[in-house]
Amino acid sequence: KNQVEQSPQSLIILEGKNCTLQCNYTVSPFSNLRWYKQDTGRGPVSLTIMTFSENTKSNGRYTATLDADTKQSSLHITASQLSDSASYICVVSEGGANNLFFGTGTRLTVIP
Amino acid sequence: DARVTQTPRHKVTEMGQEVTMRCQPILGHNTVFWYRQTMMQGLELLAYFRNRAPLDDSGMPKDRFSAEMPDATLATLKIQPSEPRDSAVYFCASGIRDGTEAFFGQGTRLTVV
Repeated sequence: KNQVEQSPQSLIILEGKNCTLQCNYTVSPFSNLRWYKQDTGRGPVSLTIMTFSENTKSNGRYTATLDADTKQSSLHITASQLSDSASYICVVSEGGANNLFFGTGTRLTVIP
Repeated sequence: DARVTQTPRHKVTEMGQEVTMRCQPILGHNTVFWYRQTMMQGLELLAYFRNRAPLDDSGMPKDRFSAEMPDATLATLKIQPSEPRDSAVYFCASGIRDGTEAFFGQGTRLTVV
C-alpha cells in the first residue's frame, strides 16, 4: 500500500534554531517528492521538488534531502524565523499515474 | 501575478443544502485537482481533470459530490445534499501535464451545520 509518513507530528523550537523534519514513503514506482509549506488558513505552497536522481535541493533556508534507496526524505530549516511556523507537508508522486500521496504534515511552531 | 482563485473563501450552510465551490486555475494550466483537508485525514485527493476531462474521481463520494469543468477557466465542485461530515477545507490546485508542480488556491472552508 502506498503511504507517506511524516515525523514528528508537531514540533516547537526557539527562533534562530535549526530543525529537521522527516518523511518516509512506500510509494512505488516513484516519480518525485515535494515539500509544501502551509500557513494557517492558506493553501500549500511548494518549497522543493526532487526527482529520483536528486539527493538534495535548497530553497533559501530550506534544504531537502532524498534517499531513494531507503525511501526517506528530510527537510532541514536553518536559523528558524517566526514566519516558519506552519504545517510542512511531504507529497510523493507515483510514477506514470500522476497519483499524489500526501503525508499528514508536521506542525512547526517557532517561538521567540 | 498568476494564482489559483477559489470562491467562496468561507461557506456555512445547513445540512441538506446544495453547495457549489468554484475554482479558476492558472491560465495555461491543463490539469486541475480538487482536494479536501481535515484535521483527521489531512489532504485527500477528490478528483482531477486534464484538458477539462475527468481522469480520476475515485476519491469522491459519487452519490453526493460532482466535479465539472465547464470551460478551461472554471472548475466546480458541488455537494448535494451536504452533510455535517463534509465540513472541511476544499482546495483546488492547477498544474501542467508533466505533474512536476501543482499550485494551490486559498481554499474554501465549508461548515455544514
